[in-house]
Amino acid sequence: GAVVSQHPSWVICKSGTSVKIECRSLDFQATTMFWYRQFPKQSLMLMATSNEGSKATYEQGVEKDKFLINHASLTLSTLTVTSAHPEDSSFYICSARDRRPTDTQYFGPGTRLTVL
Amino acid sequence: LAKTTQPISMDSYEGQEVNITCSHNNIATNDYITWYQQFPSQGPRFIIQGYKTKVTNEVASLFIPADRKSSTLSLPRVSLSDTAVYYCLGMDTGRRALTFGSGTRLQVQP
Repeated sequence: GAVVSQHPSWVICKSGTSVKIECRSLDFQATTMFWYRQFPKQSLMLMATSNEGSKATYEQGVEKDKFLINHASLTLSTLTVTSAHPEDSSFYICSARDRRPTDTQYFGPGTRLTVL
Repeated sequence: LAKTTQPISMDSYEGQEVNITCSHNNIATNDYITWYQQFPSQGPRFIIQGYKTKVTNEVASLFIPADRKSSTLSLPRVSLSDTAVYYCLGMDTGRRALTFGSGTRLQVQP
């Protein structure tokens, strides 16, 4: 299957700082990428849909000013957690949509964010 | 929104065949049914995808009846490394994003 990478795989930061997470589709172009968040022992929760060249679409309850998403190219989307707080500590996972041959989403390995 | 329902957990032993059934009563006509596997602290891994009848790959088989209101993932001869959470997913036609249910936690014992 197609490969999606994330960087960094883990990050620890102080409260109040901003953290950027990169998501790349390595062997296909993705006009649409998605960002999920997963808390321990829970399922993945969709945060936002990232569309190349346009604004992201956020799910209800997700603050767009806190979770900035940029999808400047067909292979890269970034999620920036601004002014991070301990409650933002979570596992962030991106996925990229590969339209060919079937419409399939492939996931990155995830980024563990810990805010002190 | 394609809501899915699957067992919370299942137990099995090495070498057995495991079948996990998922119900998706309101799946849209054009949607594919997709199954993912997730290990702790990793992103979900694509297992198999199908539209109807039966699909088989090197990892699993997927059975989908004609009414498409359910699907069954079949894992032949499981091993300890198959211990994971398995998600059955339907595509949200509005956003084309995958909506995750609770998944099935499969525990394989020796």
